[in-house]
Amino acid sequence: DSGVTQTPKHLITATGQRVTLRCSPRSGDLSVYWYQQSLDQGLQFLIQYYNGEERAKGNILERFSAQQFPDLHSELNLSSLELGDSALYFCASTPGTPGTYEQYFGPGTRLTVT
Amino acid sequence: GDSVTQMEGPVTLSEEAFLTINCTYTATGYPSLFWYVQYPGEGLQLLLKATKADDKGSNKGFEATYRKETTSFHLEKGSVQVSDSAVYFCALSGTGGFKTIFGAGTRLFVKA
Repeated sequence: DSGVTQTPKHLITATGQRVTLRCSPRSGDLSVYWYQQSLDQGLQFLIQYYNGEERAKGNILERFSAQQFPDLHSELNLSSLELGDSALYFCASTPGTPGTYEQYFGPGTRLTVT
Repeated sequence: GDSVTQMEGPVTLSEEAFLTINCTYTATGYPSLFWYVQYPGEGLQLLLKATKADDKGSNKGFEATYRKETTSFHLEKGSVQVSDSAVYFCALSGTGGFKTIFGAGTRLFVKA
């Protein structure tokens, strides 16, 4: 158990809909990362937050947005969903202090868009 | 920009065979290097790491040595087990900010 929690575990929804994925980092970790993993196993970095502020952006679509709240949990919002958005979405956290770069991953949310 | 290249899979081995998964990187500065493992149906978990040149990371019988001269961090295990079947990701971090660059992943199948 990494200490990172993600909800829901599975999500099935229709095209055009909007969903929210939630992540709680490990206790004390200030930095949260979101990744998308497609069926061919590739891991795509979406976005990073540090102590409530956006720190880095990757290949995140304009239809996707995220935020990190004062209690450090984070939410990833996916809107106008398309079939191609079906994937595993992982959250990871790190302490955020210099020299501590290893990431701790949650179990993921499997999103199926029908 | 920084990048990580690892050997394509899948890699299929028999139990007790020797494993090598190659990983090379391109980075400015002096990154920390990692191997993560993803077992079926789970998230990634850190397998081992090395933070400077010539460091050897090891865990659960797996080893990797940080080779600055060849910019490599190959993963090895002397005798694989069926339970080692998973996807292995090489990664680097620490060259600027807290972003981690992941390789494409290598799927390993171990047959009994």
